[in-house]
Parts: sequence; structure tokens; C-alpha cells
Amino acid sequence: GAGVSQSPSNKVTEKGKDVELRCDPISGHTALYWYRQSLGQGLEFLIYFQGNSAPDKSGLPSDRFSAERTGGSVSTLTIQRTQQEDSAVYLCASSPAPTSGGTNEQFFGPGTRLTVL
Amino acid sequence: SQKIEQNSEALNIQEGKTATLTCNYTNYSPAYLQWYRQDPGRGPVFLLLIRENEKEKRKERLKVTFDTTLKQSLFHITASQPADSATYLCALDIDDYKLSFGAGTTVTVRA
Repeated sequence: GAGVSQSPSNKVTEKGKDVELRCDPISGHTALYWYRQSLGQGLEFLIYFQGNSAPDKSGLPSDRFSAERTGGSVSTLTIQRTQQEDSAVYLCASSPAPTSGGTNEQFFGPGTRLTVL
Repeated sequence: SQKIEQNSEALNIQEGKTATLTCNYTNYSPAYLQWYRQDPGRGPVFLLLIRENEKEKRKERLKVTFDTTLKQSLFHITASQPADSATYLCALDIDDYKLSFGAGTTVTVRA
């Protein structure tokens, strides 16, 4: 596709359930990012992929959060045993391979709005 | 600790006027700074990038300045239009691959 796509667009779940959020980056983009955005807040970095590897997972809030990327393309963010504080918009972004001195312009998907009841 | 602050959460202006948004940072030495636009229910969209050795950058009705001494960037929307109403985010590079975003300023342009 022409842009970054995410699914589902909305997800309502009950506390304690597991959820999977999907991201399809722009074809050819080797870098992929997950962010979380709470109401009125800035973007909170979660994890960065370069290809299928995740050299920076420093933003994952707890061990309930995990992510993987396969084939250097699609990524899945999994939240286990969801809590109400996990409610937020989860945004995925992709970019061409970051280079020193480069611009690292990031292309964002529309996000998945997660509501934990 | 590193911090990015954007001025007032909301800015309301009359159509035709210039909107000026501020992005201040501490404990960073960014090589560049980016500005993004975010509309409700959508992801941010890249607008402009300015490097540390550039004082000013323009794109159509947008102008960005970058003062590394003051640790501040100003983002101007000239001849504002209702279609400019959105939230604007500044982002600083904190690594070759990583950006740190401010919380954003919501601009509303009244017709």
C-alpha cells in the first residue's frame, strides 16, 4: 500500500485479556517504530525495529508488552493481561534505514485506539 | 533529565493572522528538529525539518526557526486558514534512529 496501515482501528477489550495490534509499514522501509499516545499527551516511544531485530525496546512499559516483526515487514504489538492504564492510541511509524546525518522522517499509520474496560 | 516543552496546549487565532508555536528543550543537543501535524483520529504527518546549522526554513506558509543557544524552535503559520486547525508536534532527534516528541499545541483558526 501507499502508506502505513494499522489494524484494528479500534479495539475494546476486558481487563485481563490479551490483545494483538498489527502494523503494515511502507514497502522498503527497514525501520519500524511503535508509540503510545494517551489523551492530551505526546508520543511515548515503545520499541524500534531495524529489519526483524529490535535494538531498542527501552520504552516497553512492562513485561506484559512485547512486539515482533517478521520478513522485515509486518509487526505485531502484543499486550498480555491488559489493564485499564493500557488504554491509549497505539501508533506505528516506519522510515527508510536511518543514517547518521539523515533526516529520519517518520511515516505514521492512523493508529489503533485501545480501550480496556 | 531531557525535556521538551511546547507552549500552551491550545492556541486560538483569527483567520489571516500568524500563529506562532514554541518548542523549548533542555538537556538535548539535537542535530535537527522536526515539526509534525496531527489531525484528530490520524497519525502525525511530517511537515518540516531544520538542522542545527540552519537558522530558518520555509515551506509555503510555514516558517521554522531554530536557536541552539536558546534551545528553542519557533513554528509560524502565516496567513492562517481554518484548514490549518490541527495539533502541531515538535520532535528532536536523540539518536540516529530515535525521535523524542513534545506534547503538541492545538491550533484553532476561526473564520
